[in-house]
Amino acid sequence: GAVVSQHPSWVICKSGTSVKIECRSLDFQATTMFWYRQFPKQSLMLMATSNEGSKATYEQGVEKDKFLINHASLTLSTLTVTSAHPEDSSFYICSAKGHLGGATTGELFFGEGSRLTVL
Amino acid sequence: GQQLNQSPQSMFIQEGEDVSMNCTSSSIFNTWLWYKQDPGEGPVLLIALYKAGELTSNGRLTAQFGITRKDSFLNISASIPSDVGIYFCAGLLYNFNKFYFGSGTKLNVKP
Repeated sequence: GAVVSQHPSWVICKSGTSVKIECRSLDFQATTMFWYRQFPKQSLMLMATSNEGSKATYEQGVEKDKFLINHASLTLSTLTVTSAHPEDSSFYICSAKGHLGGATTGELFFGEGSRLTVL
Repeated sequence: GQQLNQSPQSMFIQEGEDVSMNCTSSSIFNTWLWYKQDPGEGPVLLIALYKAGELTSNGRLTAQFGITRKDSFLNISASIPSDVGIYFCAGLLYNFNKFYFGSGTKLNVKP
């Protein structure tokens, strides 16, 4: 299956600093990428949808100025948590939907996740 | 957001038993996906379903896209200890470009 790589897999930062998480599609072009947040023992909550070359679409209740998303190329999307606070500590997961073998698929492939801990 | 009701929430079974879980919604979906997630890792795609009524297998796993397009189930036959994990359904909402997730089914398998 398609491979989506996420980096870093875990990060610890001080309160007030910003953290950038990268999501790359390694063997396909991802026209659309999604960012999810997952709290312990809970399901994935969609934060935003990013389309290559355009502004991200944020879900209701997600602060776009706090969670900056950039989808500059067909293989890379980044999520920057700005001025992080302890309540931002969570597991952040990206996913990509794109083309496999030249055909658009409806499948969604996930990165390994990034665990953010804000002290 | 859209509600995907996934059940059961958790299961405790004996190795060798069959398992069934399902997702239902009041909305119509174009695609149903089933994932397994191990602790500290991202979800891994198990099965993808694209047509109403479609029945697809992946080894011991079988999933079906409901005829009404509002539900899907996942069966695991002859469970083994490595099946332990959390299973999520995800649906691509008709006319929308995003997936919604069920709340997950935590599977425990006793050797």
